[in-house]
Amino acid sequence: DSGVTQTPKHLITATGQRVTLRCSPRSGDLSVYWYQQSLDQGLQFLIQYYNGEERAKGNILERFSAQQFPDLHSELNLSSLELGDSALYFCASSASGGGGYEQYFGPGTRLTVT
Amino acid sequence: AQSVTQLDSQVPVFEEAPVELRCNYSSSVSVYLFWYVQYPNQGLQLLLKYLSGSTLVKGINGFEAEFNKSQTSFHLRKPSVHISDTAEYFCAVTLINTDKLIFGTGTRLQVFP
Repeated sequence: DSGVTQTPKHLITATGQRVTLRCSPRSGDLSVYWYQQSLDQGLQFLIQYYNGEERAKGNILERFSAQQFPDLHSELNLSSLELGDSALYFCASSASGGGGYEQYFGPGTRLTVT
Repeated sequence: AQSVTQLDSQVPVFEEAPVELRCNYSSSVSVYLFWYVQYPNQGLQLLLKYLSGSTLVKGINGFEAEFNKSQTSFHLRKPSVHISDTAEYFCAVTLINTDKLIFGTGTRLQVFP
């Protein structure tokens, strides 16, 4: 158990809909990261927050947005869903926002868009 | 831009045999290097990392990796594998001033009895 929790575990929804994925980082960790794992794209970094502020952005679509709240939990919002958004979405956390720190991954949320 | 190449998508091996999972990276600037393991239906777990210093890095579960700057490689090795090592292994890099992990496509290690 990494100490990172993600809800829900599974999500099935229809095209065009909007969903919210939730992540609670390990106690004391200030950085939260979101990754997408799909068969065709592999594991891709989406976005990082550090202590409530956006720190880095990766291949995140404009239809996707995220935020980190004062209690440090984070939410990833996916809207106007398409079939290609079906993937495993991981949240990770680390103690700091600098380089080299271990990222602890949650169990993921499996999103299926039908 | 940085990229990571894992040369083998699948590696079958018998129990107690040695194994090497290959990883090459491309970057014009210095990077940190990582190996993560993903067991079925689970998240990723850090096996080991190279930040600086000794090029031979020891990790958890008996794994080790060697950083070779001239060959831009970071191959993962284990002298004797167990059935429980069956999993997907990911090599990844970050720039030294960021945490954005750039992953390879993964190598599926299948250990047979």
